[in-house]
Amino acid sequence: EVQLVESGGGLVQPGRSLRLSCAASGFSFGDYAMHWVRQAPGKGLEWVSSISWDSDSLAYGDSVKGRFSISRDNAKNSLYLQMNSLRSEDTAFYYCAKDMGSGYSSGWLVLDYWGRGIQVTVSS
Amino acid sequence: QPALTQPPSASASPGASVKLTCTLSNGYYGYAIAWHQQQPQKGPRYLMKVNSDGRHYKGDGIPDRFSGSSSGAERYLTISSLQSEDEADYYCQTWGSGIQAFGGGTRLIVL
Repeated sequence: EVQLVESGGGLVQPGRSLRLSCAASGFSFGDYAMHWVRQAPGKGLEWVSSISWDSDSLAYGDSVKGRFSISRDNAKNSLYLQMNSLRSEDTAFYYCAKDMGSGYSSGWLVLDYWGRGIQVTVSS
Repeated sequence: QPALTQPPSASASPGASVKLTCTLSNGYYGYAIAWHQQQPQKGPRYLMKVNSDGRHYKGDGIPDRFSGSSSGAERYLTISSLQSEDEADYYCQTWGSGIQAFGGGTRLIVL
């Protein structure tokens, strides 16, 4: 059974940093691209960032470009999101999601499994 | 870059059928999309991929009541024999030009 479990969320002040983690199990993690998607309170889903199986291809949504950094450790079956210079508008539930493909050359595909998400609140 | 448009809400009665729509932006009519369901207070769940030719490929454990189809720029999700548990937000998703994109979501009310 595929499982994706996010951690590292919480309350943080504007301008500070936070690092999210996603622990994956139930599939060959190193073969697939992975993504972060967020959902602000009462809003829809917003794509945040993507990483290919080998970390060669990275992509970011315009609202986080230059502030957030995605990475992965295939030996630890883990995905990360380093969030710097946080703003109040970054307040959201953050989901880790698995791609159906490898993400070779930024060829993202269907998101076929999702984690339960983790809350990030940016407030003074 | 592709963009997706969804009506904000839909409603239907238990036991009835409903057809939800996702519209691709101009120039991207050949793109496939995926449908995801988000029940209240839960994370999203992948339902199916729908190709431009109407073929659809469902995720693990998705009931036969759920089906997909296509026509031009439109991608559809049809839910038959509606149940109360189908009351949820439904999002379409597509990919291309190095990005992922989501529609704004449709809230389905089962009256």
